[in-house]
Amino acid sequence: DVKVTQSSRYLVKRTGEKVFLECVQDMDHENMFWYRQDPGLGLRLIYFSYDVKMKEKGDIPEGYSVSREKKERFSLILESASTNQTSMYLCASSPLGSAYEQYFGPGTRLTVT
Amino acid sequence: QKEVEQNSGPLSVPEGAIASLNCTYSDRGSQSFFWYRQYSGKSPELIMFIYSNGDKEDGRFTAQLNKASQYVSLLIRDSQPSDSATYLCAVTRSGTSYDKVIFGPGTSLSVIP
Repeated sequence: DVKVTQSSRYLVKRTGEKVFLECVQDMDHENMFWYRQDPGLGLRLIYFSYDVKMKEKGDIPEGYSVSREKKERFSLILESASTNQTSMYLCASSPLGSAYEQYFGPGTRLTVT
Repeated sequence: QKEVEQNSGPLSVPEGAIASLNCTYSDRGSQSFFWYRQYSGKSPELIMFIYSNGDKEDGRFTAQLNKASQYVSLLIRDSQPSDSATYLCAVTRSGTSYDKVIFGPGTSLSVIP
């Protein structure tokens, strides 16, 4: 069964803190994605990775960075958290050549105070 | 103009009726179109995809695509309370090195018993 897990369901951080969000998939997928979801704005792509150590910016990369040292793990890093980064963060993965059929993790609700 | 637009709803239909969800997109080069379902507090899951003009049926779901009008819809026949969810329309963006999937803001559907 397809499985994407995220390190936390809920996270509360203070402004200026460095935040790590972890995502792990057990399907041997090449592609991995990080989105944020906000009411009225839908899912917006932050970064994606199509291979280990490979990454490309999505539509809203500012304030974020990513790391993919192993195929199954994709991390999202907020270098200095700000209140406008309060959101639901969703990780997804998909097999090579099927970037559209994305499997999502349960999400992390991040609140920055 | 947003790349993918949907009525936010909520759309309310009685049990057993046909629910019609609509989506318009701005990129004439988009080639692939998807519908994801997202239950409250859960992550999105792919339910339909369509690549060619016309209708595609899968059980109680029918996806309709009209590329000339840049319009894609999802019909749910014999709606059930379990269909109550937010439905996300997604399209691929053309002309990039990677065919990114752009999500709409979603339409909330409520099926009334």
